[in-house]
Amino acid sequence: QQQVKQSPQSLIVQKGGISIINCAYENTAFDYFPWYQQFPGKGPALLIAIRPDVSEKKEGRFTISFNKSAKQFSLHIMDSQPGDSATYFCAASWARGGGSQGNLIFGKGTKLSVKP
Amino acid sequence: NAGVTQTPKFRILKIGQSMTLQCTQDMNHNYMYWYRQDPGMGLKLIYYSVGAGITDKGEVPNGYNVSRSTTEDFPLRLELAAPSQTSVYFCASSTGGPYGYTFGSGTRLTVV
Repeated sequence: QQQVKQSPQSLIVQKGGISIINCAYENTAFDYFPWYQQFPGKGPALLIAIRPDVSEKKEGRFTISFNKSAKQFSLHIMDSQPGDSATYFCAASWARGGGSQGNLIFGKGTKLSVKP
Repeated sequence: NAGVTQTPKFRILKIGQSMTLQCTQDMNHNYMYWYRQDPGMGLKLIYYSVGAGITDKGEVPNGYNVSRSTTEDFPLRLELAAPSQTSVYFCASSTGGPYGYTFGSGTRLTVV
């Protein structure tokens, strides 16, 4: 069973602080690692994604750090804001595999609360 | 541009009843997916389709059926509803593979 393990399950951060969510994967064939953000009552939305040929990708306050040897990747939210309060999902896929191998496998999610 | 539209948003079913969850996308995406989301369990793939007339099982297909007669529509059928099917169901579409999934806003289903 291919899995993506995500931690922590919940996270409380003060406004202005750094939020860090971690994911670990098993399948070394995975070559695409996105993060999705979900607000209550809404569907998940793509936030940022990375390929394994780079160790870091930054978009605004959001950064993905990728460690290929450890098979881990993490999401860092700098200067966290109350509006960032949401559930975050990491995911992984073997995009080049085609067919069902290209389907995303999601972590179980992290509920982030940013306190004002 | 509506994206992915799911109906209904909420539904209560009695055990043994059947229903169809509707999903329509207007982005001309070939790939479509059905997921269920349970608290603390993430998103689990029920069925997916890579184009009209082609469907395949995901991780948790038991108790569900799908069809894909057009590019736009991908309905999910629940036969003989059971309490274990109480969940939030999300439909998604993509241009191909894992890139840029667009999710609908979900259907919250309760089976009593």
